Amino acid sequence: AQSVTQPDIHITVSEGASLELRCNYSYGATPYLFWYVQSPGQGLQLLLKYFSGDTLVQGIKGFEAEFKRSQSSFNLRKPSVHWSDAAEYFCAVRSNFGNEKLTFGTGTRLTIIP
Amino acid sequence: GAGVSQSPSNKVTEKGKDVELRCDPISGHTALYWYRQSLGQGLEFLIYFQGNSAPDKSGLPSDRFSAERTGGSVSTLTIQRTQQEDSAVYLCASSFWSPASGVTDTQYFGPGTRLTVL
Repeated sequence: AQSVTQPDIHITVSEGASLELRCNYSYGATPYLFWYVQSPGQGLQLLLKYFSGDTLVQGIKGFEAEFKRSQSSFNLRKPSVHWSDAAEYFCAVRSNFGNEKLTFGTGTRLTIIP
Repeated sequence: GAGVSQSPSNKVTEKGKDVELRCDPISGHTALYWYRQSLGQGLEFLIYFQGNSAPDKSGLPSDRFSAERTGGSVSTLTIQRTQQEDSAVYLCASSFWSPASGVTDTQYFGPGTRLTVL
C-alpha cells in the first residue's frame, strides 16, 4: 500500500529565510506526487505536481519541489518565505494507474516569524 | 472559472440524526472524490466516483455512510445516525478524466463542510 511521511509536524522560519519541507513516500512504482497548501478554514490548494519528466517542478507562489527516486522523496522548497506562506502543507501520492485516490501525509504546519 | 463548491459550509447536528452534504464539482470533471479531515485521523479518502459509478468505496468507515452522484455532476454524502466521532471536515474534490489515457488529472478541492455532532 502507498504511504506518505512528513517527518516535521511544525516548522518555524523567519520571514525572508529559505524553506524546505520534507516528504518521503512508499510506493512500488513511480507515483504521481503532489503538494497542497491549506490556510486556516480553507480547502486544499494545489501548489505543484509531478507526473513524469523533469524531476524539478515549479509551482505557484514561488515554490518548487524535486523528485528523487533514489531517496523516495519529494521535498518542497522556497528560497524566501513571506508571512502569507504561513499555513499547513500536505504532501500526497497516488497511483499512476488504477486506484485514483490520494494518500496524504500528516501535514507540516509552517509558522513565519517577523 | 468556478471551482468545486460544497454546502453547507458548516453543519451542527445532534447525535443520532441524519445529515446530507452536497458537492458541486467543476463543470466537465467526471471524477469526484470525498475525503474526511479530522484531528485524529488526518486526511482520509472516503469514496471515488467516475461518472455516476463508484468504483472505489473502500474508505467509507461504516454502513452509516453512503454517497451518490446523479447526472454525472452533483454528489451527496449521507451520514445516518450520526455519532460524535463523525465530527470532521468533509472535503470534496473533482478532476478531469482523459478517455485517451484512462487516467485522471489533478484533483481540485472544495472549501469543505465542517460537521459537528453534539
